[in-house]
Amino acid sequence: SQQGEEDPQALSIQEGENATMNCSYKTSINNLQWYRQNSGRGLVHLILIRSNEREKHSGRLRVTLDTSKKSSSLLITASRAADTASYFCATGPALLQGAQKLVFGQGTRLTINP
Amino acid sequence: DVKVTQSSRYLVKRTGEKVFLECVQDMDHENMFWYRQDPGLGLRLIYFSYDVKMKEKGDIPEGYSVSREKKERFSLILESASTNQTSMYLCASRSGLAGGTYSTDTQYFGPGTRLTVL
Repeated sequence: SQQGEEDPQALSIQEGENATMNCSYKTSINNLQWYRQNSGRGLVHLILIRSNEREKHSGRLRVTLDTSKKSSSLLITASRAADTASYFCATGPALLQGAQKLVFGQGTRLTINP
Repeated sequence: DVKVTQSSRYLVKRTGEKVFLECVQDMDHENMFWYRQDPGLGLRLIYFSYDVKMKEKGDIPEGYSVSREKKERFSLILESASTNQTSMYLCASRSGLAGGTYSTDTQYFGPGTRLTVL
């Protein structure tokens, strides 16, 4: 079963608003990553946060990680039409677990309305 | 910038055909991956390779095989295509020590191949 579960499955907001997506996971992790996928294309890496980090920023992106709750959130501030895409979280297993595999959630479909 | 290319964006094949999907990366990455992506199921790992001529099964290897004869190239083979293999196929690569325990960092994806099996 998928390790990461995103919430909500779909999100529609107005341009300029902030978008928040959440990810929950089940087992210990080494890191958690967020990826974006435009329709019909490959995934693009956005940001990586390690298990000993609590918050990370990259431009308009802010990621938080709460290992005690096994959850992460991705905040996109001042959304733009070009942010319309699907967003996936992916977890990298802690040492000695798994076989170097990232496990992806099913994604949140974000739509930014002009 | 890392570049991962896939041989075709769209492919249509008939049931029973042998299908080759090629993936090439230009960053000398040790690790390469094949996923399939289906609505409602997310990305599922088919096979991965952490070194030339090395391969490991992912979560859904049945009906697929792979080949890694050169470091930059990772091929996915459908020995006898079936309609349930209609899907989007994504290749990815990642740096890191071959088989190393800290090798779960960023993956770089190709544009995907949308395969239809009739």
